[in-house]
Amino acid sequence: DTGVSQNPRHKITKRGQNVTFRCDPISEHNRLYWYRQTLGQGPEFLTYFQNEAQLEKSRLLSDRFSAERPKGSFSTLEIQRTEQGDSAMYLCASGQGNSPLHFGNGTRLTVT
Amino acid sequence: AQSVSQHNHHVILSEAASLELGCNYSYGGTVNLFWYVQYPGQHLQLLLKYFSGDPLVKGIKGFEAEFIKSKFSFNLRKPSVQWSDTAEYFCAVIPGVTGGGNKLTFGTGTQLKVEL
Repeated sequence: DTGVSQNPRHKITKRGQNVTFRCDPISEHNRLYWYRQTLGQGPEFLTYFQNEAQLEKSRLLSDRFSAERPKGSFSTLEIQRTEQGDSAMYLCASGQGNSPLHFGNGTRLTVT
Repeated sequence: AQSVSQHNHHVILSEAASLELGCNYSYGGTVNLFWYVQYPGQHLQLLLKYFSGDPLVKGIKGFEAEFIKSKFSFNLRKPSVQWSDTAEYFCAVIPGVTGGGNKLTFGTGTQLKVEL
């Protein structure tokens, strides 16, 4: 079990730029989730994949956000035209069947 | 929509003190309940979980939690905390009977600081 890997760990970008984050789940896990966490809050659900299918998206996920999991393995989360309010920790988690989720270390985004 | 409330946002304890962190959820049906812990600089880790059966569940590092259905609560306890328990603790809920396959709804977290 190599754990859930997220890259980069930190990203600083200027407002208006596009950013992309990557998540590599635990290899045998078919479920993959993206969460966002801001200071003083718990993680908030963004979107969920089962294999390559995106099954659910939160209303928090504006049209500037898009997530993909093209081959049912790694996933990317892209934010277009970033805003200062997008600054947060973006967490990825994976799971298999009914097992509890395993979380990555997250990507901390700072929009200046 | 279900929600999770953690009323203690910051807790400071001395080593060897007993710990109880509150968690209440708002969902009337069957629920699956979790406590996750996040040590400084590390990822969220599962501390313990309740799916069904004995409402008193034991987790890692001496932690336990009790599910009280009538109170919609799942409080976390530890009889004697250690400095290494300093971390942020999150309660989380999944509605339904699947056990863990659906999305988690988290509380806002409790920051625990244990002083020597």
